[in-house]
Amino acid sequence: GENVEQHPSTLSVQEGDSAVIKCTYSDSASNYFPWYKQELGKRPQLIIDIRSNVGEKKDQRIAVTLNKTAKHFSLHITETQPEDSAVYFCAAKASSKLTFGTGTRLQVTL
Amino acid sequence: GAGVSQSPSNKVTEKGKDVELRCDPISGHTALYWYRQSLGQGLEFLIYFQGNSAPDKSGLPSDRFSAERTGGSVSTLTIQRTQQEDSAVYLCASSFLQGDTQYFGPGTRLTVL
Repeated sequence: GENVEQHPSTLSVQEGDSAVIKCTYSDSASNYFPWYKQELGKRPQLIIDIRSNVGEKKDQRIAVTLNKTAKHFSLHITETQPEDSAVYFCAAKASSKLTFGTGTRLQVTL
Repeated sequence: GAGVSQSPSNKVTEKGKDVELRCDPISGHTALYWYRQSLGQGLEFLIYFQGNSAPDKSGLPSDRFSAERTGGSVSTLTIQRTQQEDSAVYLCASSFLQGDTQYFGPGTRLTVL
């Protein structure tokens, strides 16, 4: 089955700096790659997603890139703010279900 | 419109007891998923329902876990003879179609004493 690896497990950046979280996947048939943000005690919420026919997608301060050949995709957050502090999960979908990465705890410090 | 809802929000039970967790998906969503999230950990897939098809039970950790989805809407996850290692947050998600964006419920925090 699909295997998704996510790095780093923790990331601390200063407010205003950029943050990058990287994921790799194993199943070349995966065609959908969402990113979820989970604040402490809250449910995971979709923040951005990308499908395999697109290489990059941007939504204000967040962007996702996909390299199908290398089977990796990344989340980029620019001009980070304290409210960006959360756990971020990547996921990859092959066939019917999503396989999630293990999460990255992002801490934005003042 | 209403999002995915789950009940109860918290459940404390004694080891060996059975528990039932409920999920109400977004109206019209044909796909429903159950995940388990242990403290500080990622999301572990448990089971997936799509329309009237047989569910994908490949993530259920043992035969103590079962789930059903009646009428293609509400789903119940049942854990029999609970163990302390079952303590976790159980999250439900739904999507309009298989492969579409999944929307999560608030979860049920299960504590087995």
